[in-house]
Order: sequence, then C-alpha cells, then structure tokens
Amino acid sequence: EPEVTQTPSHQVTQMGQEVILRCVPISNHLYFYWYRQILGQKVEFLVSFYNNEISEKSEIFDDQFSVERPDGSNFTLKIRSTKLEDSAMYFCASKTTTRNERQGTTYEQYFGPGTRLTVT
Amino acid sequence: EDKVVQSPLSLVVHEGDTVTLNCSYEVTNFRSLLWYKQEKKAPTFLFMLTSSGIEKKSGRLSSILDKKELFSILNITATQTGDSAIYLCAVKSGGATNKLIFGTGTLLAVQP
Repeated sequence: EPEVTQTPSHQVTQMGQEVILRCVPISNHLYFYWYRQILGQKVEFLVSFYNNEISEKSEIFDDQFSVERPDGSNFTLKIRSTKLEDSAMYFCASKTTTRNERQGTTYEQYFGPGTRLTVT
Repeated sequence: EDKVVQSPLSLVVHEGDTVTLNCSYEVTNFRSLLWYKQEKKAPTFLFMLTSSGIEKKSGRLSSILDKKELFSILNITATQTGDSAIYLCAVKSGGATNKLIFGTGTLLAVQP
C-alpha cells in the first residue's frame, strides 16, 4: 500500500539554525500539507500546497517557514532560523482529488510518520 | 474561532469493555469529520463522516455523526490491549484546501 514517507525521523538542531524537513507524498496525490504537534498538545495545521503554490497557511506559518516541491516528488518544509518553540513533531500529509464512488470511499489525508524536531 | 473538543481526555478500561469517545465541533464551512488513531507516530485514518445518522463500521469500531447537534461518537466494543492509543477527531473545513482542525485527542488505555 502506498504511503507518505518523511526524513529524517529525528532532527536535532541549535537555535537559529536552518532546518529542512523532507516528505515524499503518495505519488498520485495533488494536495500536500504540513502539520505540527508540540508534545502533549493537539495537531495543528501549518500550510497546504496545491498546484505549486501555497493555498492556505495558518498564523503559525510565518516568514520563518517556507515550503517547496523542488522536483515533483519531494515536498519540503524549511524553517530558516529555528526557535526553541519550534520543537515539535512535524507531520506531512497528502491527498488525492480522485473520489472513488464504487468503493464508497472519499478522499482523506494520509499522514507520514513524522519528523521529531528538537531545537536546543 | 473554529474548535474541536474531545472528551474524555483520557480513559482507562479493561479488555472486553465497550468505550464511547466524544467529539463536538464548532467549525465554519464544515465538510466532514474524521477519526484517526495515533499510536506511536502518524495518525492513521479510521473513518470519515459526512452525513448525519449514517453509522460507519469497521470491525469492532463504529462511528456516527450528528450535524444538528454538532458532534460525533466513536464506539469501540470488546476492547483489546491493541486498541490503546490516542484517538483524534478532526474536522475538515471547506474551501480548496480542506485543512483539518484537530481536537486534543482522547488517550485510551486498555488494561489486560
């Protein structure tokens, strides 16, 4: 079964450093998302990406954050100058727009295993 | 402000018990409600509910949505230790992106 993959699984960085979190969405999916989950808190939406541009972003997604789909398969989240409060689990998700009426399923977001970012 | 509230926050039961997890929401442009199970890392999809009153079932799990009262429940019958996880409720809001708005989750611990 196809799945979303993310690398690295754990990233430790020093405050002020730039980090790039990588995701490979499911191959025929067209919508891509980043979410984060601070330890003990709820999963929060960061940004959605469609047709090579950001379609929506949350208040969390400020100028320090950027996303890119550099080569048609990878989807990256860059944090330019990390802060302590950026420490969290970052989840990538992807979604297709194909609606499978026969199987009675509709499109939902599939999540990757996450990258745990620790900023020291 | 959109919000999704889950209750209880945590629950400890014994194997064989039946549990009911609750999710209420206030979201503009509601599209659907989803339940995910989160064990170690990634949330894994359980159900998507779009219409009121239609129960979705998968084995011992079932879920139903009430769009008038703005809530959903997730039932797990004959619980097993493998059901221990955080159960996340998320609401898909409208618009092109269909972002998910998550609740804080219910931590379920099933003891042998």
